[in-house]
Amino acid sequence: DTAVSQTPKYLVTQMGNDKSIKCEQNLGHDTMYWYKQDSKKFLKIMFSYNNKELIINETVPNRFSPKSPDKAHLNLHINSLELGDSAVYFCASSQVRGELFFGEGSRLTVL
Amino acid sequence: SQQGEEDPQALSIQEGENATMNCSYKTSINNLQWYRQNSGRGLVHLILIRSNEREKHSGRLRVTLDTSKKSSSLLITASRAADTASYFCATDGGGGADGLTFGKGTHLIIQP
Repeated sequence: DTAVSQTPKYLVTQMGNDKSIKCEQNLGHDTMYWYKQDSKKFLKIMFSYNNKELIINETVPNRFSPKSPDKAHLNLHINSLELGDSAVYFCASSQVRGELFFGEGSRLTVL
Repeated sequence: SQQGEEDPQALSIQEGENATMNCSYKTSINNLQWYRQNSGRGLVHLILIRSNEREKHSGRLRVTLDTSKKSSSLLITASRAADTASYFCATDGGGGADGLTFGKGTHLIIQP
């Protein structure tokens, strides 16, 4: 069974559209995260959720909104997509201060 | 702001040789972790070293940590073609559920 799964794996869309990326973990972890990896492979944390509470928001535009229906899911909604949003988005989960378990990534291309 | 900085940015060696990657960071940490990322895949955790540890081994991996110099190194011994990947260090310096801060990574190529 996949520990952290995210869908879709690829997403191509036009500027101005709204899109969502879903993430689920079956590890029973308390915390889930979204990371953005740019074309130079730099990873930047966007959000973390712990027990449905937002812990971190690293100066991410408010067009990005995480939504967690339960402890096992953390979805990422992006409104009014811009060219600069093109990147690979990774979902991850962990116990507090433990190792991160990453999904396989969702490559978003905004045209 | 970025915490970890890996050095070198890219490294190409022959299969069987040892590969050493370095990581420097700026603030105090609780632990430092190393991850591997194969092309087009997610990151995979390799090893965690706590701030009160100086060295740790896991199979062909050896990690050192020098908190006085705010630096760490990852040594992969007897490299294999399958070790070709990008390697990232990540620091956990916050409390509670703060996420890890990653460096820019070292791209390692093992020539067969």
